[in-house]
Amino acid sequence: EAGVTQFPSHSVIEKGQTVTLRCDPISGHDNLYWYRRVMGKEIKFLLHFVKESKQDESGMPNNRFLAERTGGTYSTLKVQPAELEDSGVYFCASSQWVSGPRTGELFFGEGSRLTVL
Amino acid sequence: RKEVEQDPGPFNVPEGATVAFNCTYSNSASQSFFWYRQDCRKEPKLLMSVYSSGNEDGRFTAQLNRASQYISLLIRDSKLSDSATYLCVVTPTDKLIFGTGTRLQVFP
Repeated sequence: EAGVTQFPSHSVIEKGQTVTLRCDPISGHDNLYWYRRVMGKEIKFLLHFVKESKQDESGMPNNRFLAERTGGTYSTLKVQPAELEDSGVYFCASSQWVSGPRTGELFFGEGSRLTVL
Repeated sequence: RKEVEQDPGPFNVPEGATVAFNCTYSNSASQSFFWYRQDCRKEPKLLMSVYSSGNEDGRFTAQLNRASQYISLLIRDSKLSDSATYLCVVTPTDKLIFGTGTRLQVFP
């Protein structure tokens, strides 16, 4: 069974440009999460989708970040315009159950590394 | 104050050594507790859940002290392959709260 896949694995852009990260969750997983790790800091929650609906977007840093999950399958996270402090690794995770984070049944992708110059 | 505090290390230990990591968490409403492992430039992977009664998985033992809001991980008979960053994770709600991680390097 395919795991959570993310694309691109690494993106280097200049400040002010736009980047779109994509996440394909495990098939059948309704719950999709985005997390981010900025260098030297802990991994932090960004938002949670249940199917195509945003369940919790309390971790989104500001309105330069837009996440979508049309059709409840894959998700995209767009950063526009990118700033230097957006550099980091963006992880996507999926779970079959909304309780996945509490039961440990949460599966991460390898992450998309974003470098903003 | 961070929600989950961990000593970042690194802990450099020889093969065969026993090593212990600790973390503290601030939210007393936290319901679930985990240790995740993250290899360099890889995704975090669940290592084990942590229960109040303490639990063991092979060479790994995890303990939770709710009164002190303290979690520990003990690794016995360290292997080279144990070298990684160990992330303490708590879930006060339906999202994971990570510590910054403790880096372990096992040398021959």
